[in-house]
Amino acid sequence: SQELEQSPQSLIVQEGKNLTINCTSSKTLYGLYWYKQKYGEGLIFLMMLQKGGEEKSHEKITAKLDEKKQQSSLHITASQPSHAGIYLCGADRSNTGNQFYFGTGTSLTVIP
Amino acid sequence: NAGVTQTPKFRILKIGQSMTLQCTQDMNHNYMYWYRQDPGMGLKLIYYSVGAGITDKGEVPNGYNVSRSTTEDFPLRLELAAPSQTSVYFCASSPRGQGGDEQFFGPGTRLTVL
Repeated sequence: SQELEQSPQSLIVQEGKNLTINCTSSKTLYGLYWYKQKYGEGLIFLMMLQKGGEEKSHEKITAKLDEKKQQSSLHITASQPSHAGIYLCGADRSNTGNQFYFGTGTSLTVIP
Repeated sequence: NAGVTQTPKFRILKIGQSMTLQCTQDMNHNYMYWYRQDPGMGLKLIYYSVGAGITDKGEVPNGYNVSRSTTEDFPLRLELAAPSQTSVYFCASSPRGQGGDEQFFGPGTRLTVL
């Protein structure tokens, strides 16, 4: 079974639409990270959440960690073609950096 | 700073051949990681290192070896390549490796074993 479940697996939206990607863990997380990967490239850090209920925003991307620290959502407002790529959530289950897991990823396509 | 660099970018191996994937970071980070990414499977941790001279297994270490003789370099060795090792390999580093520490990723090495 996958440590981190992401949904949906893929998403196709029209430019300008809002969208949400979810990341769920069966265990409490010490840190939840969101990364973006452009096709064929490495991962780019978006943001990190640590505290239950924490919410962070960067430009048109907002991420939130629920109170129990077992689920996070990534919301994109007014999507643009530049938002296209694979979004991965990652989590540290140990707070020591040596038990880091990633979700399976959500592939986002934005149609102009 | 170049960040995390990986070589080669692409490689095709025959079954049974060996090779070393190179990873170098110039940020003086203590923690370094090797991941493999298979289609639809996310990233899985192969090995990690908390500092020069110290390495440990991750989730999928079988068929791989690593060494960490310097802070900057963390090479990944495949001794007897198998088709199951066809994947994209990413190296990453972080300053402290603790919760709340961002990982910086290299551009990846695409390996095919035929």
